[in-house]
Amino acid sequence: AQKVTQAQTEISVVEKEDVTLDCVYETRDTTYYLFWYKQPPSGELVFLIRRNSFDEQNEISGRYSWNFQKSTSSFNFTITASQVVDSAVYFCALSEELTGANNLFFGTGTRLTVIP
Amino acid sequence: EAQVTQNPRYLITVTGKKLTVTCSQNMNHEYMSWYRQDPGLGLRQIYYSMNVEVTDKGDVPEGYKVSRKEKRNFPLILESPSPNQTSLYFCASSSSGTSGLTDTQYFGPGTRLTVL
Repeated sequence: AQKVTQAQTEISVVEKEDVTLDCVYETRDTTYYLFWYKQPPSGELVFLIRRNSFDEQNEISGRYSWNFQKSTSSFNFTITASQVVDSAVYFCALSEELTGANNLFFGTGTRLTVIP
Repeated sequence: EAQVTQNPRYLITVTGKKLTVTCSQNMNHEYMSWYRQDPGLGLRQIYYSMNVEVTDKGDVPEGYKVSRKEKRNFPLILESPSPNQTSLYFCASSSSGTSGLTDTQYFGPGTRLTVL
């Protein structure tokens, strides 16, 4: 079963619009981390945020914000006032203490295109 | 500068010709791993290493080998590459965290491999 689901395969927005990328995860563990990574057209993977399962506080970093809700097993990512430089593939990922393998389970990614 | 490096960045080879993709990190990280990225599948873990001389299989280890003789290096070996190993490969490293979970994994720039 897919541990991390990113149902939105591709999203297009016009510059300055807000956009939310959805991430739903599945785990039986009580101790886990959730991550978001950005993959720009150049191909590298850029770490954006890590959240542990005991901290449900939302986080804001500039134009980026994250909404972690254990009740719905979701960790959504919102970009406010999007810019062309935000165009990238965004991956949500999960690591679990239960697996003991320190494996990152990735979603299939959401390709965001910001149109100028 | 703290970084994970991979070489080569691009490689085209033929079926059956042994190859090695090198990975090196300068952050004194205990944990290193290899992932492959394929369209529609996200990233999947191939092998990981908790420390020197300690390696284990990830989700898709078939056709790959690894070694961890030194802390900084974690080469990926394809003894007899096949076309289904055409993919984008990422090396990652992190420090070992608490409660069985590693710290955030930082990724190398990727190696695009084509097997003809």
